[in-house]
Amino acid sequence: SAVISQKPSRDICQRGTSLTIQCQVDSQVTMMFWYRQQPGQSLTLIATANQGSEATYESGFVIDKFPISRPNLTFSTLTVSNMSPEDSSIYLCSVEWTYTDDEQFFGPGTRLTVL
Amino acid sequence: GIQVEQSPPDLILQEGANSTLRCNFSDSVNNLQWFHQNPWGQLINLFYIPSGTKQNGRLSATTVATERYSLLYISSSQTTDSGVYFCAPRGGSQGNLIFGKGTKLSVKP
Repeated sequence: SAVISQKPSRDICQRGTSLTIQCQVDSQVTMMFWYRQQPGQSLTLIATANQGSEATYESGFVIDKFPISRPNLTFSTLTVSNMSPEDSSIYLCSVEWTYTDDEQFFGPGTRLTVL
Repeated sequence: GIQVEQSPPDLILQEGANSTLRCNFSDSVNNLQWFHQNPWGQLINLFYIPSGTKQNGRLSATTVATERYSLLYISSSQTTDSGVYFCAPRGGSQGNLIFGKGTKLSVKP
C-alpha cells in the first residue's frame, strides 16, 4: 500500500495569511487528490492535482483560493490563501494506488485552525 | 452526481456487541471503499469492495452492486473500534471517492 506523508500535521494561523501543505508519496502515482473535512463533516474533494498541468477543481473551489502544484509523480502542494476562520478544517491528500486495484489511500491530514 | 447515505448516523455499543453499518448509493459504481477515521483524524482503509464479501479479522463487508448497497459488520466490538466509519464509492467526475456522512461509533467498556 501507499505510504503518504503530509507537512505540517497541524497549524494555527492568523486570518489573511496563507499556508502551504505538502504531500509526499513513497512511489510514483498518477492520480493525487486534495480533500477538505470541515469540523464534524464528511470529506469533500477540492481538486485533482495533475502532473504537468493545472489542477482540476470541483465546483465551489477556485485556483486563487486553493492553488495546487504537482511538480512530479510523488509530490504535491496545496496552498490555502487569504485564510478566514471558515477555512479551519482538516486537509487530506490521497492517491490512487494502481499497483494493485486502484484503491485510494489517504495521508494523515493537516489540521488547520484559523484565528 | 452520486448520492451516498449511511445509517445509522450514531451508534453506541457495549464492548463485545456486534453491529451492522449500512451504505446506500444512488448509482452504479465500479469501486467502493470503507474507512475508519480514528479520534486523531487518521483515515484507515478497511475494505476495497466493489462487489462480494470480504473478511478481515472481526470486520467483514458485503457489497451488492446490483442493489446499490454495502454493509460493514463489526463483531465483538472493542473500545478501539470507536470513531467514524465512512463508506465511499468511486463516483466523482474526476475518479474521486464520494463520501457519505459517516456513522459515528462509540464503544463503551
